[in-house]
Amino acid sequence: DAKTTQPNSMESNEEEPVHLPCNHSTISGTDYIHWYRQLPSQGPEYVIHGLTSNVNNRMASLAIAEDRKSSTLILHRATLRDAAVYYCILRDVGRGSTLGRLYFGRGTQLTVWP
Amino acid sequence: NAGVTQTPKFRVLKTGQSMTLLCAQDMNHEYMYWYRQDPGMGLRLIHYSVGEGTTAKGEVPDGYNVSRLKKQNFLLGLESAAPSQTSVYFCASSTVGTVINEQYFGPGTRLTVT
Repeated sequence: DAKTTQPNSMESNEEEPVHLPCNHSTISGTDYIHWYRQLPSQGPEYVIHGLTSNVNNRMASLAIAEDRKSSTLILHRATLRDAAVYYCILRDVGRGSTLGRLYFGRGTQLTVWP
Repeated sequence: NAGVTQTPKFRVLKTGQSMTLLCAQDMNHEYMYWYRQDPGMGLRLIHYSVGEGTTAKGEVPDGYNVSRLKKQNFLLGLESAAPSQTSVYFCASSTVGTVINEQYFGPGTRLTVT
């Protein structure tokens, strides 16, 4: 499975935008980019996913580089509740793939200051 | 709609004791998963199931057994607990046949083996 690289930690002030980077230089054509986050003492929760085009939902935006070797999760206005570990995960949906399996790295610990 | 629930929330075991962790989901999902999370680490897949009566090994299956007798339940067993199995255990479920295949996680079970 293709690997992702994320910074160990990032900080932001409340109500400011946050850009969380992820590098995935060995991504294959059938890999989708998924983001999950884990709030303190909770299980992970889905945030967003994409393949090639930028994506927006109520939680965040996902910007994907044209060569797909990197992506950025954007929180437009960070709140204290956004303090969490954010995981960037590649999921292969090609033929013969282990559909449904997620491979979690260490993620990025986001600290939000009031 | 409770989503994914896990029982118990906390447990302390002595080395060599056995126990079963129960995961239940009410979303009629086909896929279910058991992960463990050690301090400062991402989640690692122990076992998973793609349907009632079927199970498969994940990344770290040694020392664990699982059963999926009913679609809504996925049991994780430790036959002879070891201190190395001290961890937080998360169960997840997902539907099948979609690209997103979002996984829904339970709140976790914190297990300490002394």
